Order: sequence, then C-alpha cells, then structure tokens
Amino acid sequence: EAAVTQSPRNKVTVTGGNVTLSCRQTNSHNYMYWYRQDTGHGLRLIHYSYGAGNLQIGDVPDGYKATRTTQEDFFLLLELASPSQTSLYFCASSDSTANSDYTFGSGTRLLVI
Amino acid sequence: AQKVTQTQTSISVMEKTTVTMDCVYETQDSSYFLFWYKQTASGEIVFLIRQDSYKKENATVGHYSLNFQKPKSSIGLIITATQIEDSAVYFCAMREASSGSWQLIFGSGTQLTVMP
Repeated sequence: EAAVTQSPRNKVTVTGGNVTLSCRQTNSHNYMYWYRQDTGHGLRLIHYSYGAGNLQIGDVPDGYKATRTTQEDFFLLLELASPSQTSLYFCASSDSTANSDYTFGSGTRLLVI
Repeated sequence: AQKVTQTQTSISVMEKTTVTMDCVYETQDSSYFLFWYKQTASGEIVFLIRQDSYKKENATVGHYSLNFQKPKSSIGLIITATQIEDSAVYFCAMREASSGSWQLIFGSGTQLTVMP
C-alpha cells in the first residue's frame, strides 16, 4: 500500500545539536513537503521538492536545510537546533496535478531542550 | 496572496447531530481547489473531501459534504449524523491552479468534540 513513512516518531535533542528527520514515500509522487505544526499556527511549509536533487524554499525555512536524495526520500536537517524548533513535523507527498491531495506521514515530534 | 482562515477554534456537538465548520479563503486566481483534512488524536492527518472552484455542485463523500459559496469565498464542511470518532481537528486548505509548487495553504484548524 502506498504510504509516507517518517522516522523517528519522537526525538529529543539539546540546543545546538544536529537532527535529521527522514521521510520515505512509496506513492511515486513527484512532490514532497516538510511542514511544522504549532498550536495556533496550523501547518506551515518549511521546504519542498519536486524531484530528486531539487529543493525549494517554503514559508518558514530559517534554521532548516533539506535534501531530496531520491524520488522516495526527503530529509529535513536541523544543524544547530534551537528550542524554537520544538514542534510536530509532518512530511507529505502529492502528485503533480493541481487537484491532487496530500498523503501525510505520521509525524515526528521533536523536543529541543 | 493566498490565505485560509478558520475562525472557529473549537466546537462541541452531541452525537448524531449535524455540524458545520467554517472556512474562508483569499485568492486572486480564478481557478483553485479547496480541501478538508482531519487530524485524529493520534496525530494522523487524512484527506476527507475536495471542491474544485469551477464546479457548482457541492462535493459529498459519505457523511461529509461541502457548502461552497464562491461569492463569499467560503467553503464550509458539513458532517451529518456525527459519531464519537468524528472528534478531531479539521483543517481547511487551498491550492491555486497557477501555483507551481502545488503547495497547500492551510487554515489553523477547528477542534471538533462529539459528545455522547
């Protein structure tokens, strides 16, 4: 069954630490997205990609890097984590048609202490 | 600029009743797509229903339906015969047809509680 799988489900790191969040999709979708979800803000786009090797900046990219290594895999990197990056992170994929919906991963809860 | 607004932070209803959740959007595009998603207590986010701007008929899927009022830039989600398991956060989202990123712009969500 086509899906979006995120790992880890939960992560705790210290301020200044390095964190990599992973996302793999088996939907054969071109587009992949990283969002963060915070109370009162809904879902905000960090980065997205339309194919292997491509990266596009979203609405809240500061402090984040991302890399799309293959059609299936999209990584979010926090190289100097800060407490403000404590959040729930979602990866999603979609087809490259305007009416296509997202398939979401289960989310990664990150705590930066 | 695109914007999606959900003004209802939370709603509580009795089981088996009908509930409507509001959503208004802003867009300059003549063609756009509106989506509703459900986020359960476990955090899972699932797609529920979509309305295409060029369609006059309101979309319906199961016990979900939409009230699309294009002149008011409004897309309400109607859940009939609510069940306890409908308790969740509901997000409205929009994509403009001219968007090259295919990104969805989300509202801040409405927490629905269905009481027995």
